[in-house]
Amino acid sequence: QKEVEQDPGPLSVPEGAIVSLNCTYSNSAFQYFMWYRQYSRKGPELLMYTYSSGNKEDGRFTAQVDKSSKYISLFIRDSQPSDSATYLCAMSAQISGGYQKVTFGTGTKLQVIP
Amino acid sequence: DAGVTQSPTHLIKTRGQHVTLRCSPISGHKSVSWYQQVLGQGPQFIFQYYEKEERGRGNFPDRFSARQFPNYSSELNVNALLLGDSALYLCASADYPSTDTQYFGPGTRLTVL
Repeated sequence: QKEVEQDPGPLSVPEGAIVSLNCTYSNSAFQYFMWYRQYSRKGPELLMYTYSSGNKEDGRFTAQVDKSSKYISLFIRDSQPSDSATYLCAMSAQISGGYQKVTFGTGTKLQVIP
Repeated sequence: DAGVTQSPTHLIKTRGQHVTLRCSPISGHKSVSWYQQVLGQGPQFIFQYYEKEERGRGNFPDRFSARQFPNYSSELNVNALLLGDSALYLCASADYPSTDTQYFGPGTRLTVL
């Protein structure tokens, strides 16, 4: 079983739709939860970062963490064609030696159709 | 302020050759991590360096090695290249220990023929 599971999609939605992206995880040691956006052939760009259960909002983006269910979500409101990209969830846990090991999901490819 | 920079952008090598990839972190960041991203997959952790010391290593063979220099830039070396090493190699820097938030560079696309 993978530590982090993410539906690879692809997901295709009309412009203006609400998008829901999800990841589940199995490692209870994960402390920090992140969402990255990656455009084709580019490096991942950090969108959201949180370390506690609950919601965090930033503009059209809302990150949700439920540690009891080991489930995280990213919601995109009023989706735009420029949101078309691959979205990666990532989680980190402190490893012996003091460093944080970051584990990524496989990414969900999103297409927003004008 | 400049972000994470990586060089070269693209690289083509043949099996058995050696490659060196370079990364400069965001100014003030002392932690650098390397990831391998195969097409259609998420990044896989290779190494983390902090203050010029290796802090963590992922599940990669000994053909992969790295180092961090006094100016906190870093090199990733891969020996005896295999076709399966073809991937996007990503470098990320963090203002560790203040935060673990990682900021990625644009990556180096390595093709092994």
